[in-house]
Amino acid sequence: KNEVEQSPQNLTAQEGEFITINCSYSVGISALHWLQQHPGGGIVSLFMLSSGKKKHGRLIATINIQEKHSSLHITASHPRDSAVYICAVNLGNQFYFGTGTSLTVIP
Amino acid sequence: EAQVTQNPRYLITVTGKKLTVTCSQNMNHEYMSWYRQDPGLGLRQIYYSMNVEVTDKGDVPEGYKVSRKEKRNFPLILESPSPNQTSLYFCASSLYPPPTDTQYFGPGTRLTVL
Repeated sequence: KNEVEQSPQNLTAQEGEFITINCSYSVGISALHWLQQHPGGGIVSLFMLSSGKKKHGRLIATINIQEKHSSLHITASHPRDSAVYICAVNLGNQFYFGTGTSLTVIP
Repeated sequence: EAQVTQNPRYLITVTGKKLTVTCSQNMNHEYMSWYRQDPGLGLRQIYYSMNVEVTDKGDVPEGYKVSRKEKRNFPLILESPSPNQTSLYFCASSLYPPPTDTQYFGPGTRLTVL
């Protein structure tokens, strides 16, 4: 079982396209995180959300607590955005992760 | 430079030979955690620590031990490794326990158990 589901699993986009990655979870959570895993394997935290919306540069993350759903948007996508994007949720002090969305942005 | 370090980065070992993967952070973080990442399963939490001498099981603790004797260090111990523990391991830390803070991840340790 997995409390966190992401879609799509794989995504290919042309440079400049608007990208959306979705995350749904099945239980009540205290926070949701979006992570980026580079092709070399390193993981970076992008956002932590408990409500509403956050924006960093071309990245926007939203969460709807009632619908148990979050989205990560990338505007004006660039080849350097190619990575695996991972959704994670906090249940108490623990983390549960989605299996990731592999994004490839073609020049 | 603020960072989480892990050693070794790569390790090939044989079944049953005890090993330790070290994790250290220089940011005075309270919360530290170990994860394993497997294809198709994603990241799964093994153990976490809220502070010195406080550790607790995550989702997949079987076959692993941890200790937190100092704030900066959180080693992962495999007392009798088995092939099903072949995986990519990440240590991470945050200033405060969830849900109040973001995590900083180490570079990963790729472990192969033959």
